[in-house]
Amino acid sequence: DTAVSQTPKYLVTQMGNDKSIKCEQNLGHDTMYWYKQDSKKFLKIMFSYNNKELIINETVPNRFSPKSPDKAHLNLHINSLELGDSAVYFCASSSRQGYYGYTFGSGTRLTVV
Amino acid sequence: GNSVTQMEGPVTLSEEAFLTINCTYTATGYPSLFWYVQYPGEGLQLLLKATKADDKGSNKGFEATYRKETTSFHLEKGSVQVSDSAVYFCALKGKLIFGQGTELSVKP
Repeated sequence: DTAVSQTPKYLVTQMGNDKSIKCEQNLGHDTMYWYKQDSKKFLKIMFSYNNKELIINETVPNRFSPKSPDKAHLNLHINSLELGDSAVYFCASSSRQGYYGYTFGSGTRLTVV
Repeated sequence: GNSVTQMEGPVTLSEEAFLTINCTYTATGYPSLFWYVQYPGEGLQLLLKATKADDKGSNKGFEATYRKETTSFHLEKGSVQVSDSAVYFCALKGKLIFGQGTELSVKP
């Protein structure tokens, strides 16, 4: 059973389109995150939800909108995609604010053409 | 604010060589520290962790000690294998702030 699952694994789309990435965790964790990994492997947090409440909202264009329908799901919707949005997006989850670590999904490689 | 700094890569070693990847941090208090590993084409896996000062985390032959005096959490392994080739990230609890990653390549 996959602990943190993301779909889709690959996403190729044209500039200007709107797309969504879904994430689900079955670990019973109370906090979920979205990270962006650029071409140089640098990882930066975008958003975090704790029990459906947004607790971290880094400096991210407002074209990116997270939604958490319940504490096991965190989706990422991106409007008006741009070339610079091409990256790998990782979902993660944790309990106790990450005291014991964070579990990551396998990533979604987004390519905007 | 909190931050993590790792030694830059790439690091290339021969099989059975000794590995050190340096990591230093800046933080308020003593938050948990982690090393994550990313194998090619995969997500991040927790390699080891230390939850308080002077703790030593270990896993798969890798070790790191949480040293508050030097604000460091260096990753070490006595004898690397080709299968250890990956990108290694040092990270700090909270927002999970990552270092910039160190790519390790081990040659037979």
